[in-house]
Amino acid sequence: AQSVTQLGSHVSVSEGALVLLRCNYSSSVPPYLFWYVQYPNQGLQLLLKYTTGATLVKGINGFEAEFKKSETSFHLTKPSAHMSDAAEYFCAVSDRVKTSYDKVIFGPGTSLSVIP
Amino acid sequence: DSGVTQTPKHLITATGQRVTLRCSPRSGDLSVYWYQQSLDQGLQFLIQYYNGEERAKGNILERFSAQQFPDLHSELNLSSLELGDSALYFCASSVTGTQGGEQYFGPGTRLTVT
Repeated sequence: AQSVTQLGSHVSVSEGALVLLRCNYSSSVPPYLFWYVQYPNQGLQLLLKYTTGATLVKGINGFEAEFKKSETSFHLTKPSAHMSDAAEYFCAVSDRVKTSYDKVIFGPGTSLSVIP
Repeated sequence: DSGVTQTPKHLITATGQRVTLRCSPRSGDLSVYWYQQSLDQGLQFLIQYYNGEERAKGNILERFSAQQFPDLHSELNLSSLELGDSALYFCASSVTGTQGGEQYFGPGTRLTVT
């Protein structure tokens, strides 16, 4: 069964430092890949997604992620962290195998703290 | 604002009771998803509806049920509530519910069972 792992349940970075949040998936057929962000007391919001084409995907708020098939990874990065980036980040996948439904599997989440 | 609305925002009830959570999808979205988020289980997919019909089931308990009405709003019914049902319940919607599509999440309903 498809699964998603996120290395590090909690990551702390200094303001202005590089943000790197790790995500790996399990399937042999690369799935659709997503990163969502959840700010405190809010629902999830899509940051970016990879479906096909260019493996480096740019999203909102300066985030980007690179799909690496050989590493079954889809790590999320941002060159310079802002205080407003403090939130929970979820990697998610959806199978490419054609079915009648769209089931998205979410990773356990990584809580990002930004230190002033 | 995602355009997805959920009511109520907070709900406190006792064990054994039944509650109904309501979700209105974004205008034009035909597919509705329900998720449960708890500290120990993370974000779990419960069920998906598309244009009034059940399309997929995830880790939904038999005590839980859902439906999507002709106006496309959806309700999640939770019965015989247990302490372990305390969680955040999210509704999400998408245009078609096809694979690879973006889901838009509502703000959630926080359920506390005492």
